[in-house]
Amino acid sequence: EVQLVESGGGLVQPGGSLRLSCAASGFTFSRHWMSWVRQAPGKGLEWAANMKEDGTEKYYVDSVKGRFTISRDNAKNSLYLQMNSLRGEDTAVYYCARVLHDAMDVWGQGTAVTVS
Amino acid sequence: DIQMTQSPSSLSASVGDRVTITCRASQSTRNFLNWYQQKPGKAPKLLIYVTSNLQSGVPSRFSGSGSGTDFTLTISSLQPEDFATYYCQQSSIIPWTFGQGTKVEVK
Repeated sequence: EVQLVESGGGLVQPGGSLRLSCAASGFTFSRHWMSWVRQAPGKGLEWAANMKEDGTEKYYVDSVKGRFTISRDNAKNSLYLQMNSLRGEDTAVYYCARVLHDAMDVWGQGTAVTVS
Repeated sequence: DIQMTQSPSSLSASVGDRVTITCRASQSTRNFLNWYQQKPGKAPKLLIYVTSNLQSGVPSRFSGSGSGTDFTLTISSLQPEDFATYYCQQSSIIPWTFGQGTKVEVK
């Protein structure tokens, strides 16, 4: 079964840091771009970051540039999001997603981050 | 950035109705336009990719069309499990951007 499972969310104070993880299974992780998408409480979806299969390309939405870092370990089938200098507006459920055909076709269940 | 605008923001419909949701981009997305369904407390689910391609396992009552800047998601006959929020998303240019969502509610 193709699956993504996020972990690492929680409550953190403004200015603090958190590292999210996403464990992939059921597919060849190293062959896919991966994404992080977030959703603030009661709001819509916001794409946050993308990473190429081999980690050589990374892209971010402006609101997280310089504070968040996407990374991956293909040997561990894992995607990460290091979040520093957290702000109240970063409060959201964070989803990792697999990219296929320029769309996000598999999503995890999400992990909640609260900055307060 | 490409701004994505969906209309309507919400709609009320009955089981069996034909439902149409539109998505307009501020500039051409080169047809890199995707549609997702999200139910409360759940992760989004991909329905349609690259304008009109039905994702595996998605019922054929869902269809997508359009080109350039104007796109449409159609549900040919609304089923009880289709009451949800729908989002369009462009993957033509970084940053990828979503529409604000269209909530389909029971009439």
